[in-house]
Amino acid sequence: QITLKESGPTLVKPTQTLTLTCTFSGFSLSTSGVGVGWIRQPPGKALEWLALIYWDDDKRYSPSLKSRLTITKDTSKNQVVLTMTNMDPVDTATYYCAHSASYGDYLHFDYWGQGTLVTVSS
Amino acid sequence: SYVLTQPPSVSVAPGKTARITCGGNNIGSKSVHWYQQKPGQAPVLVIYYDSDRPSGIPERFSGSNSGNTATLTISRVEAGDEADYYCQVWDSSSDHPRVFGGGTKLTVL
Repeated sequence: QITLKESGPTLVKPTQTLTLTCTFSGFSLSTSGVGVGWIRQPPGKALEWLALIYWDDDKRYSPSLKSRLTITKDTSKNQVVLTMTNMDPVDTATYYCAHSASYGDYLHFDYWGQGTLVTVSS
Repeated sequence: SYVLTQPPSVSVAPGKTARITCGGNNIGSKSVHWYQQKPGQAPVLVIYYDSDRPSGIPERFSGSNSGNTATLTISRVEAGDEADYYCQVWDSSSDHPRVFGGGTKLTVL
């Protein structure tokens, strides 16, 4: 059974750096073809993909946020960490991590965490 | 960059068929996936690889993809199908993959 859970601060101040951790079980991020992505959703708005890390440590980032994002993995701890620098109130959103076992152009997210709401405010 | 266009809203009466479209340039050459999101919940995959259903998703949910339009079809719509629906593609050849459509709110009248 695959599960994912996001953790991190619920409130950050503008200009601070956000660090979110996705802790998962039921799969290994060292298995060929597996990836973990981060997706966010501002209140009342659409899903926005942020970043993805593959089993082979290949990383992809949203072009609009690339300069602010870093995604890393710790295979031994079954964790993926996303950092986002220079937080702004417009970054207020629910942040999800999600699993993918479909590499390349077929990539999709078949398991999602419950999400964590991050509010950016002074 | 690749843009996915969805209608903001679709309304349907119970028992009828709902069709939600996802437009994109030559989207028929890509693999399209669909997610259902109910208020306060995480998205759930309902269709992948254009028309495959994950285990546990009712047969009432189906998908198609051709030309410039992919379509999620929900037959015999129920009140519980009311949700936001998002289409998704992935272009691995791009350094800047675009991912989700803007979402469609399905209202069951």
